[in-house]
Amino acid sequence: AQSVTQPDIHITVSEGASLELRCNYSYGATPYLFWYVQSPGQGLQLLLKYFSGDTLVQGIKGFEAEFKRSQSSFNLRKPSVHWSDAAEYFCAVAPNSGGYQKVTFGTGTKLQVIP
Amino acid sequence: EAEVAQSPRYKITEKSQAVAFWCDPISGHATLYWYRQILGQGPELLVQFQDESVVDDSQLPKDRFSAERLKGVDSTLKIQPAELGDSAMYLCASSLVPSNEQFFGPGTRLTVL
Repeated sequence: AQSVTQPDIHITVSEGASLELRCNYSYGATPYLFWYVQSPGQGLQLLLKYFSGDTLVQGIKGFEAEFKRSQSSFNLRKPSVHWSDAAEYFCAVAPNSGGYQKVTFGTGTKLQVIP
Repeated sequence: EAEVAQSPRYKITEKSQAVAFWCDPISGHATLYWYRQILGQGPELLVQFQDESVVDDSQLPKDRFSAERLKGVDSTLKIQPAELGDSAMYLCASSLVPSNEQFFGPGTRLTVL
């Protein structure tokens, strides 16, 4: 079964600084990969996804992520963080195969943005 | 823009009572998911439907939880009886096909006293 690890529970960055959130997955082949964002008390919103092709994926709100097969990673980046980016971020993985495909979420990284 | 609807948004109940949550997915989405999210954790899949059929309910506590999607459209998740440990956010999501982008509703925050 697949699994996903987000090693950072909480990250604090200054507004305008760059951001990188880490995500590592465990799966026998190349999986489908996702990043979601959740504002307090709300549901999750998809930021970006990787299925195949170009390993650098562009998403909404100025986010991007890079799939690195050799490191089993799918880290999320943003060059300049805005105060409105404060939220919780979840990495998710799903099998890239036929049949039933379950999406597994990481435990999340809470982002705090300071002035 | 189409959205996943959930109701109620908040529910406070006493233990041993019954509660029910409703979800209306985006029109045309065949796959519907119910997740439980405990504070500080990621969503945990409780049940996944493909049209009206359950494809995964391995993490659903079947002694007290039930879910149905009778006509393959909207869905209801029920807990009877509720226990203190059921306090959590219950999220509904839908997707066109399994493992593709999931669209989440706003969730129902359940508090069991």
